[in-house]
Amino acid sequence: DAKTTQPPSMDCAEGRAANLPCNHSTISGNEYVYWYRQIHSQGPQYIIHGLKNNETNEMASLIITEDRKSSTLILPHATLRDTAVYYCIVRVAMGSQGNLIFGKGTKLSVKP
Amino acid sequence: DAGITQSPRHKVTETGTPVTLRCHQTENHRYMYWYRQDPGHGLRLIHYSYGVKDTDKGEVSDGYSVSRSKTEDFLLTLESATSSQTSVYFCAISEPLRGGLAGRAAQYFGPGTRLLVL
Repeated sequence: DAKTTQPPSMDCAEGRAANLPCNHSTISGNEYVYWYRQIHSQGPQYIIHGLKNNETNEMASLIITEDRKSSTLILPHATLRDTAVYYCIVRVAMGSQGNLIFGKGTKLSVKP
Repeated sequence: DAGITQSPRHKVTETGTPVTLRCHQTENHRYMYWYRQDPGHGLRLIHYSYGVKDTDKGEVSDGYSVSRSKTEDFLLTLESATSSQTSVYFCAISEPLRGGLAGRAAQYFGPGTRLLVL
């Protein structure tokens, strides 16, 4: 699986959009980009994933650059409950295993 | 939230004693995983299962065994607990997409079990 690079921490004002970047310059053509988050003391939570097109769901939007070497997770109206560590993961549709490899992620602090 | 429960949620035990953690799902997902999370290491895969009685090792499987006799239950056993196994343990489930490939399916995690081995 390709390696990802994320800033260690970011701040965002409550009600504003939070834009979390992720670099994955060695991504292969068959690798997907996944985003998870982990709120303190809880299990990781799936947010969104995509291959090359931008994706949107009820939680967030995922913008993937045309060359697929980077992506941005957008939380459109951040709330205090969005304070968490956000993980960007790239992985291929493997065979039987399919486990996730979590890096250090970005600690997002949403401030009032 | 996905229907995943873990028991116990907290446990304190002594070195050398056996410990079994349980993961129970109500989603009928085929794949189940056990991860451990430690400061400085992130989440690491211990074992996973791709069906009833079908299991395989992950990255950090030494000292752990698993069993899956029913779709809904995945048990993690520490045969003889050591202090290095003090950790937070997370169970996850996923349902592979067509073709049986697990890689593209999202994983849903349980609330975790905090284990302290004295």
